Amino acid sequence: QLQLQESGPGLVKPSETLSLTCTVSGGSISSSSYYWGWIRQPPGKGLEWIGYIYYSGNTYNNPSLKSRVTIYVDTSKNQFSLKLSSVTAADTAVYYCARLGRSGYYTDAFDIWGQGTMVTVSS
Amino acid sequence: QSALTQPASVSGSPGQSITISCTGTSSDVGSYNLVSWYQQHPGKAPKLMIYEVTKRPSGVSNRFSGSKSGNTASLTISGLQAEDEADYFCCSYAGSFTLVFGGGTKLTVL
Repeated sequence: QLQLQESGPGLVKPSETLSLTCTVSGGSISSSSYYWGWIRQPPGKGLEWIGYIYYSGNTYNNPSLKSRVTIYVDTSKNQFSLKLSSVTAADTAVYYCARLGRSGYYTDAFDIWGQGTMVTVSS
Repeated sequence: QSALTQPASVSGSPGQSITISCTGTSSDVGSYNLVSWYQQHPGKAPKLMIYEVTKRPSGVSNRFSGSKSGNTASLTISGLQAEDEADYFCCSYAGSFTLVFGGGTKLTVL
Protein backbone atom coordinates (compact mmCIF):
# COMPACT_ATOMS: atom_id res chain seq x y z
CA GLN A 1 0.00 0.00 0.00
CA LEU A 2 1.55 3.24 -1.15
CA GLN A 3 2.17 5.84 1.54
CA LEU A 4 3.61 9.35 1.49
CA GLN A 5 5.22 11.12 4.43
CA GLU A 6 6.29 14.76 4.62
CA SER A 7 9.27 15.83 6.70
CA GLY A 8 11.04 19.09 7.40
CA PRO A 9 11.25 22.02 9.81
CA GLY A 10 8.03 23.26 11.34
CA LEU A 11 9.33 26.80 11.79
CA VAL A 12 11.00 28.97 9.19
CA LYS A 13 12.14 32.59 9.54
CA PRO A 14 10.85 35.28 7.19
CA SER A 15 12.94 35.73 4.02
CA GLU A 16 14.49 32.28 4.44
CA THR A 17 13.84 29.13 2.39
CA LEU A 18 11.27 26.52 3.36
CA SER A 19 12.46 22.97 2.62
CA LEU A 20 10.32 19.85 2.78
CA THR A 21 10.81 16.27 1.64
CA CYS A 22 8.20 13.66 0.80
CA THR A 23 9.20 10.03 1.17
CA VAL A 24 7.25 7.49 -0.87
CA SER A 25 6.96 3.98 0.53
CA GLY A 26 5.20 0.87 -0.70
CA GLY A 27 5.73 1.73 -4.36
CA SER A 28 8.12 3.32 -6.81
CA ILE A 29 8.32 7.01 -7.53
CA SER A 30 9.58 6.08 -10.99
CA SER A 31 6.15 5.24 -12.35
CA SER A 32 5.14 6.49 -15.76
CA SER A 33 1.54 6.76 -14.60
CA TYR A 34 1.98 9.47 -12.01
CA TYR A 35 3.27 12.87 -11.12
CA TRP A 36 4.18 13.82 -7.55
CA GLY A 37 2.81 17.03 -6.17
CA TRP A 38 2.81 19.58 -3.39
CA ILE A 39 -0.33 21.29 -2.10
CA ARG A 40 -0.71 23.69 0.82
CA GLN A 41 -3.54 24.90 3.00
CA PRO A 42 -3.27 28.05 5.15
CA PRO A 43 -5.05 27.78 8.50
CA GLY A 44 -8.81 27.88 8.00
CA LYS A 45 -8.51 28.32 4.26
CA GLY A 46 -8.68 26.30 1.05
CA LEU A 47 -6.24 24.20 -0.91
CA GLU A 48 -3.61 25.65 -3.23
CA TRP A 49 -1.50 23.57 -5.57
CA ILE A 50 2.17 24.48 -5.45
CA GLY A 51 3.65 22.31 -8.17
CA TYR A 52 4.34 18.78 -9.31
CA ILE A 53 7.15 16.73 -10.79
CA TYR A 54 7.59 13.69 -13.00
CA TYR A 55 10.19 11.10 -12.07
CA SER A 56 12.29 12.24 -15.03
CA GLY A 57 12.66 15.63 -13.35
CA ASN A 58 10.19 17.67 -15.41
CA THR A 59 8.50 20.16 -13.11
CA TYR A 60 5.36 22.28 -13.34
CA ASN A 61 4.75 25.08 -10.86
CA ASN A 62 1.84 27.31 -9.94
CA PRO A 63 2.42 30.59 -11.81
CA SER A 64 1.18 32.53 -8.78
CA LEU A 65 4.24 31.41 -6.85
CA LYS A 66 6.49 32.41 -9.73
CA SER A 67 10.14 31.55 -9.36
CA ARG A 68 10.06 30.98 -5.60
CA VAL A 69 9.33 27.27 -6.03
CA THR A 70 11.81 24.52 -6.77
CA ILE A 71 10.74 20.88 -6.82
CA TYR A 72 13.20 18.06 -7.40
CA VAL A 73 13.18 14.29 -7.24
CA ASP A 74 15.64 11.71 -5.93
CA THR A 75 14.62 8.40 -7.45
CA SER A 76 17.38 6.54 -5.60
CA LYS A 77 15.78 7.51 -2.28
CA ASN A 78 12.18 7.39 -3.58
CA GLN A 79 11.76 10.99 -2.46
CA PHE A 80 10.78 14.32 -3.90
CA SER A 81 11.35 17.69 -2.31
CA LEU A 82 10.06 21.25 -2.20
CA LYS A 83 11.98 24.47 -1.70
CA LEU A 84 10.08 27.73 -1.34
CA SER A 85 12.29 30.78 -1.13
CA SER A 86 11.81 34.22 0.41
CA VAL A 87 8.98 33.09 2.65
CA THR A 88 6.63 35.45 4.47
CA ALA A 89 3.87 34.94 6.99
CA ALA A 90 1.53 34.31 4.05
CA ASP A 91 3.36 31.04 3.43
CA THR A 92 2.29 29.67 6.82
CA ALA A 93 0.25 26.57 6.02
CA VAL A 94 -0.12 22.84 6.23
CA TYR A 95 1.93 21.42 3.37
CA TYR A 96 0.83 18.15 1.77
CA CYS A 97 2.57 15.93 -0.70
CA ALA A 98 0.40 13.75 -2.91
CA ARG A 99 0.44 11.40 -5.86
CA LEU A 100 -1.10 12.94 -8.97
CA GLY A 101 -2.45 10.78 -11.74
CA ARG A 102 -1.55 11.39 -15.37
CA SER A 103 -4.14 11.50 -18.11
CA GLY A 104 -2.14 11.61 -21.30
CA TYR A 105 -0.24 14.88 -21.16
CA TYR A 106 -2.68 16.24 -18.62
CA THR A 107 -3.08 15.74 -14.88
CA ASP A 108 -5.82 13.72 -13.28
CA ALA A 109 -6.47 13.62 -9.55
CA PHE A 110 -4.48 13.59 -6.33
CA ASP A 111 -5.33 10.07 -5.25
CA ILE A 112 -2.96 9.44 -2.34
CA TRP A 113 -1.99 12.13 0.16
CA GLY A 114 0.53 12.44 2.95
CA GLN A 115 -0.73 13.39 6.39
CA GLY A 116 0.53 16.96 5.98
CA THR A 117 3.01 19.00 7.95
CA MET A 118 2.42 22.42 9.50
CA VAL A 119 4.99 25.05 8.61
CA THR A 120 4.95 28.38 10.40
CA VAL A 121 6.84 31.39 9.13
CA SER A 122 7.84 33.54 12.06
CA SER A 123 10.88 35.21 13.53
CA GLN B 1 -5.98 31.90 -12.76
CA SER B 2 -8.98 32.32 -10.44
CA ALA B 3 -10.19 29.71 -8.00
CA LEU B 4 -13.21 27.65 -8.96
CA THR B 5 -16.38 28.94 -7.30
CA GLN B 6 -18.09 26.80 -4.68
CA PRO B 7 -20.81 27.73 -2.18
CA ALA B 8 -19.30 28.43 1.21
CA SER B 9 -21.71 26.10 2.94
CA VAL B 10 -24.52 23.63 2.35
CA SER B 11 -26.58 21.62 4.78
CA GLY B 12 -28.99 18.73 4.81
CA SER B 13 -30.71 16.30 7.12
CA PRO B 14 -29.76 12.64 7.43
CA GLY B 15 -31.16 10.63 4.54
CA GLN B 16 -31.53 13.62 2.26
CA SER B 17 -29.50 14.44 -0.85
CA ILE B 18 -27.39 17.52 -1.36
CA THR B 19 -25.49 18.91 -4.31
CA ILE B 20 -22.36 21.05 -4.24
CA SER B 21 -21.57 23.08 -7.33
CA CYS B 22 -18.16 24.02 -8.68
CA THR B 23 -18.16 26.73 -11.33
CA GLY B 24 -15.16 27.45 -13.49
CA THR B 25 -14.62 28.73 -17.00
CA SER B 26 -14.29 27.43 -20.52
CA SER B 27 -10.53 27.24 -19.87
CA ASP B 28 -10.75 24.72 -17.06
CA VAL B 29 -13.94 22.87 -16.07
CA GLY B 30 -15.55 23.50 -19.45
CA SER B 31 -12.60 22.22 -21.45
CA TYR B 32 -11.54 19.06 -19.66
CA ASN B 33 -13.28 16.08 -18.09
CA LEU B 34 -10.62 16.21 -15.37
CA VAL B 35 -12.58 17.46 -12.39
CA SER B 36 -11.97 15.82 -9.04
CA TRP B 37 -13.61 16.16 -5.63
CA TYR B 38 -12.02 15.82 -2.19
CA GLN B 39 -13.49 15.34 1.26
CA GLN B 40 -11.61 16.75 4.23
CA HIS B 41 -12.47 16.17 7.87
CA PRO B 42 -11.01 18.57 10.46
CA GLY B 43 -7.32 18.03 11.02
CA LYS B 44 -7.10 15.36 8.33
CA ALA B 45 -5.66 15.18 4.84
CA PRO B 46 -8.07 15.46 1.91
CA LYS B 47 -9.46 12.24 0.50
CA LEU B 48 -10.25 11.71 -3.17
CA MET B 49 -13.97 11.04 -3.67
CA ILE B 50 -14.53 11.60 -7.41
CA TYR B 51 -12.16 11.84 -10.36
CA GLU B 52 -12.61 12.47 -14.07
CA VAL B 53 -15.97 14.14 -13.29
CA THR B 54 -17.93 10.97 -12.57
CA LYS B 55 -15.60 8.16 -11.48
CA ARG B 56 -15.38 6.84 -7.92
CA PRO B 57 -12.14 5.38 -6.52
CA SER B 58 -12.34 1.94 -5.04
CA GLY B 59 -13.76 2.08 -1.53
CA VAL B 60 -15.76 5.29 -1.94
CA SER B 61 -19.46 4.89 -1.26
CA ASN B 62 -21.80 4.93 -4.26
CA ARG B 63 -23.76 7.60 -2.38
CA PHE B 64 -21.23 10.01 -3.88
CA SER B 65 -21.65 10.92 -7.53
CA GLY B 66 -20.31 13.58 -9.87
CA SER B 67 -21.52 15.32 -12.99
CA LYS B 68 -20.72 18.26 -15.23
CA SER B 69 -22.65 20.64 -17.42
CA GLY B 70 -20.79 23.32 -19.31
CA ASN B 71 -18.47 25.17 -16.96
CA THR B 72 -20.05 23.79 -13.79
CA ALA B 73 -19.28 20.49 -12.10
CA SER B 74 -21.37 19.09 -9.29
CA LEU B 75 -20.97 16.63 -6.44
CA THR B 76 -24.10 14.94 -5.17
CA ILE B 77 -24.29 13.05 -1.90
CA SER B 78 -27.38 10.95 -1.44
CA GLY B 79 -28.63 9.39 1.77
CA LEU B 80 -26.73 11.88 3.89
CA GLN B 81 -25.01 10.45 6.93
CA ALA B 82 -23.47 12.19 9.92
CA GLU B 83 -20.00 11.05 8.80
CA ASP B 84 -20.40 13.04 5.57
CA GLU B 85 -20.08 16.29 7.51
CA ALA B 86 -16.79 17.73 6.22
CA ASP B 87 -15.27 20.25 3.86
CA TYR B 88 -15.42 19.45 0.15
CA PHE B 89 -13.09 20.83 -2.51
CA CYS B 90 -13.25 20.54 -6.27
CA CYS B 91 -10.23 20.69 -8.55
CA SER B 92 -9.81 20.90 -12.31
CA TYR B 93 -7.03 20.68 -14.83
CA ALA B 94 -6.76 24.17 -16.30
CA GLY B 95 -4.50 23.73 -19.30
CA SER B 96 -0.79 24.44 -19.76
CA PHE B 97 0.08 21.99 -16.99
CA THR B 98 -1.82 24.01 -14.38
CA LEU B 99 -4.49 23.08 -11.88
CA VAL B 100 -7.09 25.07 -10.00
CA PHE B 101 -8.93 24.28 -6.77
CA GLY B 102 -12.27 25.52 -5.60
CA GLY B 103 -12.53 27.55 -2.42
CA GLY B 104 -14.22 24.74 -0.55
CA THR B 105 -17.71 24.02 0.80
CA LYS B 106 -18.55 23.18 4.39
CA LEU B 107 -21.22 20.50 4.57
CA THR B 108 -23.29 20.40 7.73
CA VAL B 109 -25.50 17.41 8.48
CA LEU B 110 -28.36 18.76 10.58
